[in-house]
Amino acid sequence: EPEVTQTPSHQVTQMGQEVILRCVPISNHLYFYWYRQILGQKVEFLVSFYNNEISEKSEIFDDQFSVERPDGSNFTLKIRSTKLEDSAMYFCASSGSRGARTDTQYFGPGTRLTVL
Amino acid sequence: AQRVTQPEKLLSVFKGAPVELKCNYSYSGSPELFWYVQYSRQRLQLLLRHISRESIKGFTADLNKGETSFHLKKPFAQEEDSAMYYCALSGYGQNFVFGPGTRLSVLP
Repeated sequence: EPEVTQTPSHQVTQMGQEVILRCVPISNHLYFYWYRQILGQKVEFLVSFYNNEISEKSEIFDDQFSVERPDGSNFTLKIRSTKLEDSAMYFCASSGSRGARTDTQYFGPGTRLTVL
Repeated sequence: AQRVTQPEKLLSVFKGAPVELKCNYSYSGSPELFWYVQYSRQRLQLLLRHISRESIKGFTADLNKGETSFHLKKPFAQEEDSAMYYCALSGYGQNFVFGPGTRLSVLP
């Protein structure tokens, strides 16, 4: 069964550095998402992406964040200048062609980002 | 505003006992509700969604619009059910709003 994959599984960086988290969504999916989960807290929506542009974003997704689909398979989340409070688990998800509210979102295993 | 609450952070039951994981939501329209499960060291997986009205791994959930609830139930818990359970709502947009999660521990 196809799965969403994410790399790396764990990223350690210094405060102020740029990081890029990578995701490969399920191949025939058209809607892509990033969520994060700070340790001990709930999963929070960051951004959704469709047709090469952001379709929705949350208040968390400020100018320090950007997303890109650089080729036909990867979907990346970039944090320009990391802060300590960016330390979290970052989940990528994708959903099918309809993009309807009823579509199941399939999640990747997550990337644990640690900012020192 | 869209909001999902799960009042129990941790729920412990004995094997074979009934389980109910509570989920309440606030949303002014017609919500789409989901339960996701995360087993130890695994990814979030869809357990069930209200629109399909199916039973997965013996779990069921009924949407009660009057009480704005979508509680997850299973009549006889198994040890392999031990996991984190997240209730999620899809409302105005395509993104999910997750509850804080309930850790279910099924004791032998």
